[in-house]
Amino acid sequence: RKEVEQDPGPFNVPEGATVAFNCTYSNSASQSFFWYRQDCRKEPKLLMSVYSSGNEDGRFTAQLNRASQYISLLIRDSKLSDSATYLCAVNIGTGTGRRALTFGSGTRLQVQP
Amino acid sequence: DVKVTQSSRYLVKRTGEKVFLECVQDMDHENMFWYRQDPGLGLRLIYFSYDVKMKEKGDIPEGYSVSREKKERFSLILESASTNQTSMYLCASSSSPNRGGGYNEQFFGPGTRLTVL
Repeated sequence: RKEVEQDPGPFNVPEGATVAFNCTYSNSASQSFFWYRQDCRKEPKLLMSVYSSGNEDGRFTAQLNRASQYISLLIRDSKLSDSATYLCAVNIGTGTGRRALTFGSGTRLQVQP
Repeated sequence: DVKVTQSSRYLVKRTGEKVFLECVQDMDHENMFWYRQDPGLGLRLIYFSYDVKMKEKGDIPEGYSVSREKKERFSLILESASTNQTSMYLCASSSSPNRGGGYNEQFFGPGTRLTVL
């Protein structure tokens, strides 16, 4: 089983729709969680961190469910410019041995006019 | 803003050549990372470094080595390039752990698209 798993999509949604992605992680010791956005042939860029109590940034809402070991990203009122691949990233955080993030393979979103 | 730069955007090399990929960050970050990204496989960690001259293997270190002589610079070396090393290579950096013990987000460079013929 992969450490971090995402549905690859694509999710094809009309403008204005609400869309949600989930990302499951296998290590219960995971401490830090992030959502990144990656445009075609570009580097991943941080979209938002995911906090235990959930957090919102404009049209974007991120949530963490530790019991079921997944994080989610909700996008409301989708825009054409939201079309991209969304990567989740998880860090186990066990001292110097693992400072890297483990990334999911990404979920591709295509917002259609 | 954090800036991570990589020496080349596109690189074409021949099988057997020694290849150097350079990465520089300007935010005094302790941690630096090298990933490769391939379709369907996502981002895979090759090596990372948490201090000058310190390095740790990631998930796919075979065929690669790294060097970190200065805090701001992290180099990835392909000792003898092979066609299966054709990929997008991404460098990233991050600061030291936050107070809660969790690790902070990583910032990525623009990537180097390497083709090995």
